[in-house]
Amino acid sequence: GNSVTQMEGPVTLSEEAFLTINCTYTATGYPSLFWYVQYPGEGLQLLLKATKADDKGSNKGFEATYRKETTSFHLEKGSVQVSDSAVYFCALKRSGGGADGLTFGKGTHLIIQP
Amino acid sequence: SQTIHQWPATLVQPVGSPLSLECTVEGTSNPNLYWYRQAAGRGLQLLFYSVGIGQISSEVPQNLSASRPQDRQFILSSKKLLLSDSGFYLCAWSLNSKGYGYTFGSGTRLTVV
Repeated sequence: GNSVTQMEGPVTLSEEAFLTINCTYTATGYPSLFWYVQYPGEGLQLLLKATKADDKGSNKGFEATYRKETTSFHLEKGSVQVSDSAVYFCALKRSGGGADGLTFGKGTHLIIQP
Repeated sequence: SQTIHQWPATLVQPVGSPLSLECTVEGTSNPNLYWYRQAAGRGLQLLFYSVGIGQISSEVPQNLSASRPQDRQFILSSKKLLLSDSGFYLCAWSLNSKGYGYTFGSGTRLTVV
């Protein structure tokens, strides 16, 4: 079946540091890939997405590139801010569409210290 | 605009008691609706989804059930809670099957004691 593996936290960085959160997946075909973010006390929000190989999703300074050859979708940001502190979830939607939901990783708790 | 309401935000229930969590969506029609759970140390797990009134698909066997009595209402229930039902429950909706239309509620933190 489909699965998503991401590094578990907490990940603690200083402000302006470079961020990488690793995410790898197992799925047949060509799934769509997503990063969701959950700020404290809020629901999940879509951060960025990529729907085919070599696509790069980007938003709010975050980027992730769909790497079919390594089945990865690592999240990066060049300079993090305290406001980026949140839980980040990598997820996939299986190829072929359908109403069944997303497959999520366990989430990575990111803490940015001033 | 489309919004999703989920309540309560937190809930503490004794083992063996019933459960009812409600989720409602506003501003859209005929959404796909989802219940996810995040147990301690685990990722978000899809529990149920629904593509229409009265249509429920279960992803994993468990002590829970779901119902969709109205187009924009999705209810998660249990007749007798177990300790293992503790977790963070999220409702979500989407209008398409491709994945990038998902909107999540703010979640319910359930602690079974």
